[in-house]
Amino acid sequence: EAGVVQSPRYKIIEKKQPVAFWCNPISGHNTLYWYRQNLGQGPELLIRYENEEAVDDSQLPKDRFSAERLKGVDSTLKIQPAELGDSAVYLCASSRQGSYGYTFGSGTRLTVV
Amino acid sequence: DQQVKQNSPSLSVQEGRISILNCDYTNSMFDYFLWYKKYPAEGPTFLISISSIKDKNEDGRFTVFLNKSAKHLSLHIVPSQPGDSAVYFCGVAGTSYGKLTFGQGTILTVHP
Repeated sequence: EAGVVQSPRYKIIEKKQPVAFWCNPISGHNTLYWYRQNLGQGPELLIRYENEEAVDDSQLPKDRFSAERLKGVDSTLKIQPAELGDSAVYLCASSRQGSYGYTFGSGTRLTVV
Repeated sequence: DQQVKQNSPSLSVQEGRISILNCDYTNSMFDYFLWYKKYPAEGPTFLISISSIKDKNEDGRFTVFLNKSAKHLSLHIVPSQPGDSAVYFCGVAGTSYGKLTFGQGTILTVHP
């Protein structure tokens, strides 16, 4: 079974520029998560999807962050405009509905300069 | 307000010995607990879990212990191997359906 695929692996942008991350979850996994991991910290949930519906986006900074999961499969996470404090690893994970055994992708390491 | 804490940022162990990683949580409503392992440049991978109705779950060299009264869980690895060197995150769930909250992680180094 193919794992969770994320792209790009690395991204360096200047502050105030936009950036987008893409995630392809494991086939058949209804639930998709975007987590952000700051250096030396654990992953923190940004948004959770059940199929195409965002069911928990309480931690998503909605003034600059947006996400979508069209057709309940792939998902994109966008930041516009990026700030220096957005530098982090952005992790996508997926699971079968109701399961906590998430499968994570390798993440996108974002550096904002 | 940190609901999940891993107070040891790092742990160094000799190969063959036991590694004990600890995790404390604050909310007694959490009812499902997991450990994830993370290698550099990879995403975390699921290792072992335990529900609140148990106090121990074992899978090969890995055992997770849960002490609900102390709101504490631990991961025991025995015997430790150099390939176990990684960052270990505890994750807790139960207060919000589908949401895992992670600790800060502990870097385990197993020396040959």
